[in-house]
Formats: sequence, C-alpha cells, structure tokens
Amino acid sequence: DAGVTQSPTHLIKTRGQQVTLRCSPISGHKSVSWYQQVLGQGPQFIFQYYEKEERGRGNFPDRFSARQFPNYSSELNVNALLLGDSALYLCASSPGTHSNQPQHFGDGTRLSIL
Amino acid sequence: AQSVTQLDSQVPVFEEAPVELRCNYSSSVSVYLFWYVQYPNQGLQLLLKYLSGSTLVESINGFEAEFNKSQTSFHLRKPSVHISDTAEYFCAVSDSRTGGSYIPTFGRGTSLIVHP
Repeated sequence: DAGVTQSPTHLIKTRGQQVTLRCSPISGHKSVSWYQQVLGQGPQFIFQYYEKEERGRGNFPDRFSARQFPNYSSELNVNALLLGDSALYLCASSPGTHSNQPQHFGDGTRLSIL
Repeated sequence: AQSVTQLDSQVPVFEEAPVELRCNYSSSVSVYLFWYVQYPNQGLQLLLKYLSGSTLVESINGFEAEFNKSQTSFHLRKPSVHISDTAEYFCAVSDSRTGGSYIPTFGRGTSLIVHP
C-alpha cells in the first residue's frame, strides 16, 4: 500500500511569492495534518483537517491556509513568503482524529526562500 | 497545555554500546506517548507508543521505552545499537481524554550518532 505522498519534494521561492504544497494520505485515512519542521527542531503543528473540515489550527499567521478535498487529499498554501518560512513541510495522515492514533508522515516538501 | 523536553540534543555512542534517549513531558491530564524516528531526507516513522497497560513498550527493532508516571518520563533505550540506528529521534505526547485535544506535541529531537 502506498504511504503518504507529498509533492513537490523540493521548492525554491523568493520572498513575497505564494506556494501550494500537496499531500495524498494513506488510502482509508480521513484525517490530514500539516507540520512545519525547521532545521534542528521538532515538527510544529499547523493544521488538521478531517472530512474536509478544519479541526485544529496551530499558532501560525493567516498567510497559512489549507483545505481538504473529497478524496481526502489536501493542499497547504502559504502567501507572502518570508525568509523564515524556509523549512521542511510535513504532511501526516491518520484514520481519524483520536489522539491514540499515531501520525503517518510523508517525506515532506523542502521549501527554500531566497 | 502540554510540553515535551528532550534533554539531549545529540547523543554519540559506539556501535554495540547501549543507549538511552531521555524524554520528559509536562501535562495536567493523562497522556498517550510516542517515539518517532527520522532518517535523513525522510519523514517521521513511528517507533513505538504507549497508550495504556504495561508501562514497558517495545519496538520490532530492539528499542524499548518505559512510561514512568511519577517522573513524567518516557525514556527510549536500546541495549546494543547499530550504525543503521543513526537518526533523529522525536518524543511526542497527546491528550488521552475523550474530547481532549488530539494534536500531538513534539519534542525538539535527539540526534543519535553511532560510531563504528
């Protein structure tokens, strides 16, 4: 079975641009979460979506937005990019939203802002 | 609110030596605990989890962790490490209450470096 897939794997943007990152969850998983991982730190929660509805939002500015589609795939959008947005963006899926369900992570999108 | 402290940012060890990666958490409610491993240029993979029952949990590749409620710790151990265990290890905690926050909180990670 395919795991969580993310695209693209790498992306280079300049300040002020906008970016869209994509994620396909494991088949049967209805929950998708997005995390930002800055070098040398643990993943920081950005959003969680379940059944196309936002279920949780981390402490990130409104420049960050996301959505989930009927097939449970998801997109993360970041507007007005800043140098500090350079990070590895991880998508994780789980069957539902219960906290005893571990997250299944993709390999991430490495975003570099010049 | 919950928090996770991984006391060591880097742990260098020689191959076949034992290792312990420390994790302490802070929470006002009961919790579930997880250890994830991240190899270079990859996402995180679940290593083991504590949900309930026996406080000692084991992974398929020889790691074990023990939940200690009184010390609010969930240290990860392996009696004999291999070169292939070189990776970043993350401890995570989530709220176990029904209706509580289901979003896990991750520690900053510990880099395990195994030398030949």
